Amino acid sequence: DGGITQSPKYLFRKEGQNVTLSCEQNLNHDAMYWYRQDPGQGLRLIYYSQIVNDFQKGDIAEGYSVSREKKESFPLTVTSAQKNPTAFYLCASRGRANQPQHFGDGTRLSIL
Amino acid sequence: GESVGLHLPTLSVQEGDNSIINCAYSNSASDYFIWYKQESGKGPQFIIDIRSNMDKRQGQRVTVLLNKTVKHLSLQIAATQPGDSAVYFCAHGRGLTGGGNKLTFGTGTQLKVEL
Repeated sequence: DGGITQSPKYLFRKEGQNVTLSCEQNLNHDAMYWYRQDPGQGLRLIYYSQIVNDFQKGDIAEGYSVSREKKESFPLTVTSAQKNPTAFYLCASRGRANQPQHFGDGTRLSIL
Repeated sequence: GESVGLHLPTLSVQEGDNSIINCAYSNSASDYFIWYKQESGKGPQFIIDIRSNMDKRQGQRVTVLLNKTVKHLSLQIAATQPGDSAVYFCAHGRGLTGGGNKLTFGTGTQLKVEL
């Protein structure tokens, strides 16, 4: 089936550690996005990439990093500089411009 | 509609009734509007979208209305079913005029369907 796969579903981080969240899509979409969702709130954009080897900061990029070495993969690293990393992280992808973004089922990150 | 803070607005409807979820936006440059449904522990699921050159679009049991004059968007769900219970998000962006198709999301509305 075509879709977006995020792994792991649950992730725990110790203080001072970096962790990487995986996002893979087999939809042949050019654009990919990372969002953060806090309880009772909407989604906030962390980073996005419109094409391989290129990405831009979103609204809350501080403490995060990304790479886009392959079209189908857009991993997100939550660094130790992110002081409040506990959240639900959602990855999305989009095909042609002005088409809807489609989401994976998220990774829930918690601090030990 | 949209709100700021940790408490989601809640809409309770009886099964079989019609639901109307509202959303206000502030960016007059937005030309693309979209509704998502999110069930607990899952990612948002696309429902319907509309572009700024339209004021109404219909899907299966859903209708989106766009009023650009007052910057208001609504989602109507006909004959609401228990499976419609979820959080509904509106989002808007500048899809037609570039900007990477970035979307700005509202805080969501919790729809509860009572039997």
